[in-house]
Amino acid sequence: GAVVSQHPSWVICKSGTSVKIECRSLDFQATTMFWYRQFPKQSLMLMATSNEGSKATYEQGVEKDKFLINHASLTLSTLTVTSAHPEDSSFYICSARGSSGRFQETQYFGPGTRLLVL
Amino acid sequence: RKEVEQDPGPFNVPEGATVAFNCTYSNSASQSFFWYRQDCRKEPKLLMSVYSSGNEDGRFTAQLNRASQYISLLIRDSKLSDSATYLCVVNKGYSSASKIIFGSGTRLSIRP
Repeated sequence: GAVVSQHPSWVICKSGTSVKIECRSLDFQATTMFWYRQFPKQSLMLMATSNEGSKATYEQGVEKDKFLINHASLTLSTLTVTSAHPEDSSFYICSARGSSGRFQETQYFGPGTRLLVL
Repeated sequence: RKEVEQDPGPFNVPEGATVAFNCTYSNSASQSFFWYRQDCRKEPKLLMSVYSSGNEDGRFTAQLNRASQYISLLIRDSKLSDSATYLCVVNKGYSSASKIIFGSGTRLSIRP
């Protein structure tokens, strides 16, 4: 069964609004969560890495003030796309990694959130 | 040069065929290796880990050659449901500092 959930699964919003996406680990404590973006027919692009209780580390070229990440607990991380524009339309996927057992070896992905900004 | 390189394909093979994917990685300090599968408009799902001794899971066999920094995936007796994009994934670093790098994926299409 799924070990990582994401909400919402899809969202349509007007340009200029902010959108919050939640990522939850269901069966384990996620010490690290990752946020990816994927455009059609392209590979996953890592946006940022967040460790519980500390600030996220953003990849080069990703604006931290535009993509706000909060990892306040061991089971929840949120990504807020602030003042979204049509070019932010994409498939946003989170993944989580734990600190023990099989959950430490690799990442488990959420089902993704499709964002369409009109 | 990309850290993880894959042939993008697409590979278009008939049902029942055997197909092999290759992947190379540039960082010799890489620690662990995986194959993921991603279906269209879905999230990636772990297919299998890759070990130096080679490992097999049903119709799937994965191999790792650390000396050549090369990873492979073999699919035997391919099924229509095997059509997907296969992502080569390399984990470098240790513990909480480790970073997972994805290849750009190889598209596989199985035809009846």
